[in-house]
Amino acid sequence: DQQVKQNSPSLSVQEGRISILNCDYTNSMFDYFLWYKKYPAEGPTFLISISSIKDKNEDGRFTVFLNKSAKHLSLHIVPSQPGDSAVYFCAASARNRDDKIIFGKGTRLHILP
Amino acid sequence: SAVISQKPSRDICQRGTSLTIQCQVDSQVTMMFWYRQQPGQSLTLIATANQGSEATYESGFVIDKFPISRPNLTFSTLTVSNMSPEDSSIYLCSVSAGREKLFFGSGTQLSVL
Repeated sequence: DQQVKQNSPSLSVQEGRISILNCDYTNSMFDYFLWYKKYPAEGPTFLISISSIKDKNEDGRFTVFLNKSAKHLSLHIVPSQPGDSAVYFCAASARNRDDKIIFGKGTRLHILP
Repeated sequence: SAVISQKPSRDICQRGTSLTIQCQVDSQVTMMFWYRQQPGQSLTLIATANQGSEATYESGFVIDKFPISRPNLTFSTLTVSNMSPEDSSIYLCSVSAGREKLFFGSGTQLSVL
């Protein structure tokens, strides 16, 4: 049973436009959410996170929005740049699961010139 | 931050053989984690390796198939035993910097023929 779902395997966005990556989760006990970015032949790297007590967290071009009632979060990248082309993993953790991080399947983002 | 060196970066193996993956961290860490990413799937936690004790395996993973060593606070190995084509995956070592984030090695791309 997939507790963290990224329903779009891939997404193409024009350079300079906004990229929106979506993520849904099923476990209401999740209280911390993270986004990781992965380039080919490299390990994932932490991008941004959000606690369940917030509904928005911003870091430069990256903003994560959390809608707890809908069990949905999204990552906004604006403006999108060529270096943003990568696979993005949504992840979640819950205190009662010893903080183990559960990952989605990832969304491959292509930034078009 | 932590720098994680993982090797080999990739290997092609015959079924029935075993492969040992090494993970070296540039600082002492209590817990090290081993993940697997099968093609098109999410990052799945295999086990947590603590120094001086047996690894803790997640549901669906067993010690006989994925023996882990953790001889000190900076090093761990994961062995994929008696390999079959279904074991073809990316295997990733990681360490935790608290709930905030995981640091990952660059991964081992394993192909089993």
